[in-house]
Amino acid sequence: AQKITQTQPGMFVQEKEAVTLDCTYDTSDQSYGLFWYKQPSSGEMIFLIYQGSYDEQNATEGRYSLNFQKARKSANLVISASQLGDSAMYFCAIESGGGADGLTFGKGTHLIIQP
Amino acid sequence: DTAVSQTPKYLVTQMGNDKSIKCEQNLGHDTMYWYKQDSKKFLKIMFSYNNKELIINETVPNRFSPKSPDKAHLNLHINSLELGDSAVYFCASSLDTFSYEQYFGPGTRLTVT
Repeated sequence: AQKITQTQPGMFVQEKEAVTLDCTYDTSDQSYGLFWYKQPSSGEMIFLIYQGSYDEQNATEGRYSLNFQKARKSANLVISASQLGDSAMYFCAIESGGGADGLTFGKGTHLIIQP
Repeated sequence: DTAVSQTPKYLVTQMGNDKSIKCEQNLGHDTMYWYKQDSKKFLKIMFSYNNKELIINETVPNRFSPKSPDKAHLNLHINSLELGDSAVYFCASSLDTFSYEQYFGPGTRLTVT
C-alpha cells in the first residue's frame, strides 16, 4: 500500500514570494512516480510536475520545481515568484507498480496568494 | 481539441435513480481511470481499465459499473443512487499501464437529493 501525507491544510503567501508545499510519501516499491496537480476553484485537475524514483535530478517545469529527497521520502513542490493565479488546491500523488493502479493522492494544500 | 472530455459536467438527480457519466479521450491512450473526489476534496481511485479490460476495482459498491465500449471511452453507470454518491467524478487516461502521467477530464459534479 502507498500513502501520501500533506501536512499543510492551508497556506497564505504574499505575492512574488517563493512557496514550498510539503509532501511525504510511503511505498514499499522501488520504482514509483511522484506528481503534483493543481486544482483551481474552477475544478479541473492540472498536471504540474513529475519525478521518477530513479531520476537523479530534481524535476523542474517553469516556475515549479520538485525538491526530491529520496532517503527522507519527501517530494516538496517549490513555486518561485508566486502569482495571484497560483491560488488553488495542490495535490501530491504517487503511482507505483506501473500506471495500472492509478494515483494515490494526499489530502491537498489550499494555497492562497495575497497581493 | 479537448484531450479528455466528460459529459455531463453537472448532474442533479434524486435518490434511487440510475445515471451514467460518459468519458472520451482522443489521445490514443490505452489506460483509463475513474476517480471520486468527495466533499472534503479527497481524491480516490475507483477503477482502472486497460484496453477495455478492468484492471482494478478499489472497493467500490457494485452499484457502480464501468463500461468500456472501446479504448477511447470509459463510461460510469451508477444504479440506485444514494446521498453519499454526491461527489465530483473525474475520468483520466494514460498512455499505457507503464506510463505514469495521467491526463484528467474536467470532472462531473453529481448531486443526489
